[in-house]
Amino acid sequence: DAGVTQSPTHLIKTRGQHVTLRCSPISGHKSVSWYQQVLGQGPQFIFQYYEKEERGRGNFPDRFSARQFPNYSSELNVNALLLGDSALYLCASSPTSAGNTIYFGEGSWLTVV
Amino acid sequence: SQQGEEDPQALSIQEGENATMNCSYKTSINNLQWYRQNSGRGLVHLILIRSNEREKHSGRLRVTLDTSKKSSSLLITASRAADTASYFCLESGGSNYKLTFGKGTLLTVNP
Repeated sequence: DAGVTQSPTHLIKTRGQHVTLRCSPISGHKSVSWYQQVLGQGPQFIFQYYEKEERGRGNFPDRFSARQFPNYSSELNVNALLLGDSALYLCASSPTSAGNTIYFGEGSWLTVV
Repeated sequence: SQQGEEDPQALSIQEGENATMNCSYKTSINNLQWYRQNSGRGLVHLILIRSNEREKHSGRLRVTLDTSKKSSSLLITASRAADTASYFCLESGGSNYKLTFGKGTLLTVNP
C-alpha cells in the first residue's frame, strides 16, 4: 500500500506569492494533519482535518489555510509568502482523529526568496 | 497542546554501542509514539506504546514508558551508522489536535 504522498517535493517561490501543497493520505485514513518544520526545530502543528472538517488549528496566521476533499486528500495554501515561511511542510494521516499511529509523508521543501 | 520533549538534544556514539534517548511529557496520554527523521526527510514511525504498557520491543528498539513520571525512553541496541538521525517522541491519544514535537535528539553513530 502507498504511504502518505506529498507534492511537490521541492519548490521555490518569491516573497508575496502564493503556494499550494498537496497531500494524499494512506488509503482508508480519514484524518490529515499539516506541520511546518524549520531547520533545527521539531515539526509545528498547523491544521488537522477529519472527515473534511477542520478539527484544529495551530498558531499560524490567516495566510495559512487548508481544506480536505471528499477523497480525504488535502491541500495547504499559503498566501503572501514571507521569507520565514521557508521550511519543510509535512503532511500526516491517521485512520481517525485520535488514538492511532500517525504516519508522515516525505514533505514538501518550500524555499521563499 | 500535547508536547514531548527529548533529552539529550545531541548524542554521539560509536557503531555497536547502545543509544538511549529520553522523552518527557506533560499531559495524560493514551499512547506515545517515537519517530526517526533523516536529514531533510519525512518522519518515519518507529513504535507506539500505549499507556497501559510498560515496555515494548521492535527489532533493535526497546521503548519503556513510566506514566507516573510522565517519561519514556528509546533504546537502540548495537547501533549502526544508518541509525544516524533525529529522533522525536509524540504523546497522543486524546486527540490529534495541536500535537507538537520537541526539538528531538540528534543521534550520530560514528563508523
